[in-house]
Amino acid sequence: SQQGEEDPQALSIQEGENATMNCSYKTSINNLQWYRQNSGRGLVHLILIRSNEREKHSGRLRVTLDTSKKSSSLLITASRAADTASYFCATDATAREYAGGTSYGKLTFGQGTILTVHP
Amino acid sequence: KAGVTQTPRYLIKTRGQQVTLSCSPISGHRSVSWYQQTPGQGLQFLFEYFSETQRNKGNFPGRFSGRQFSNSRSEMNVSTLELGDSALYLCASSRIAGGTDTQYFGPGTRLTVL
Repeated sequence: SQQGEEDPQALSIQEGENATMNCSYKTSINNLQWYRQNSGRGLVHLILIRSNEREKHSGRLRVTLDTSKKSSSLLITASRAADTASYFCATDATAREYAGGTSYGKLTFGQGTILTVHP
Repeated sequence: KAGVTQTPRYLIKTRGQQVTLSCSPISGHRSVSWYQQTPGQGLQFLFEYFSETQRNKGNFPGRFSGRQFSNSRSEMNVSTLELGDSALYLCASSRIAGGTDTQYFGPGTRLTVL
């Protein structure tokens, strides 16, 4: 089952505009990662934010994490046509969620947001 | 540093056959995880290997299996293929155990079952 719920499912904007995608999850996490996928290809890692961090930046990307609300957002500023892709959040649940074990490589993905940036 | 590589990139099989997919992690990475991506179910975790040991497994039938070699390369095998096994199979590698480190994904193997 998918832990993450992404919102919106699809987003269409013009070049130069900002794009904001949201992700909600259900369990306690160690970290949350955002990935980009172009047209059925492999996933490209964008940013990892740990559970004790609230905000992280990387170039035109800004990620926030609110563990009390179990939610995260990805902001892409000054979007470009090349940003057109699907964006996924992925969570790594804490050991508590695995009855004392660890998540051992298991990321739980949301259904993704399809972003279209029109030139 | 070379990224994660997967072979083959595309594969067409018929029902009942079996298939083996290969994944070479980034040099120095010891953990390899496998995921299945379908339009209906999205990205789902299959299993994870570290130091040649499977340490975590998702909710997939026993037809899905894998292994990891001493050089950290990994293979996954699907036996008695079904139409529903058509999917993009992705592997990811990370330096350390578990999901606490960044996972880097390969380009995937597109499997079509006819």
